[in-house]
Amino acid sequence: AQKVTQAQTEISVVEKEDVTLDCVYETRDTTYYLFWYKQPPSGELVFLIRRNSFDEQNEISGRYSWNFQKSTSSFNFTITASQVVDSAVYFCALSEARFGNEKLTFGTGTRLTIIP
Amino acid sequence: DAGITQSPRHKVTETGTPVTLRCHQTENHRYMYWYRQDPGHGLRLIHYSYGVKDTDKGEVSDGYSVSRSKTEDFLLTLESATSSQTSVYFCAISESKMGADTQYFGPGTRLTVL
Repeated sequence: AQKVTQAQTEISVVEKEDVTLDCVYETRDTTYYLFWYKQPPSGELVFLIRRNSFDEQNEISGRYSWNFQKSTSSFNFTITASQVVDSAVYFCALSEARFGNEKLTFGTGTRLTIIP
Repeated sequence: DAGITQSPRHKVTETGTPVTLRCHQTENHRYMYWYRQDPGHGLRLIHYSYGVKDTDKGEVSDGYSVSRSKTEDFLLTLESATSSQTSVYFCAISESKMGADTQYFGPGTRLTVL
């Protein structure tokens, strides 16, 4: 069965510090997709990134970067020079491409607080 | 932003009453989903639809039913609400096959069952 673990329940850092959110996943499939979503205090879920299992290149988008390592089944998310607006709950999610089992499984989330 | 609306946004109801939540999309996407969000569980799939009148169960479907009579609308019904169904409910849509495509979420509905 597929599973996503976000062991960090809550993280607090001072503004401008870098912070990494960990995501470890389990799947038996060779084809799968990984996602990160952001849930700010207003409550909506904002899509950040989607990565397929065949693309291990790290990705950078502004202050955000993602490190995908199949060897350790991890898809970690780093925010550089954090800002107060980054305060949110962040969810990692996994979906398998196997027919009949293409559901999206979420981790329990990491609540990130940026202290001004 | 994906054109997804949910109604109502907030609802308080009593145990044993029926409740229907509505999800409406303007993107003409084929797939629609209902999730619930609870502390310590992340989001869990209740039901999903892969076309008009085509629906299937997710991992926490007991006590819920769904209907999709039009591409743009996906209804979630609690036939007889219980306190364990107090939660935040999110609708999501995706253009193509679930898993292989990104799901975009609506603003959520906060349901309280007293």
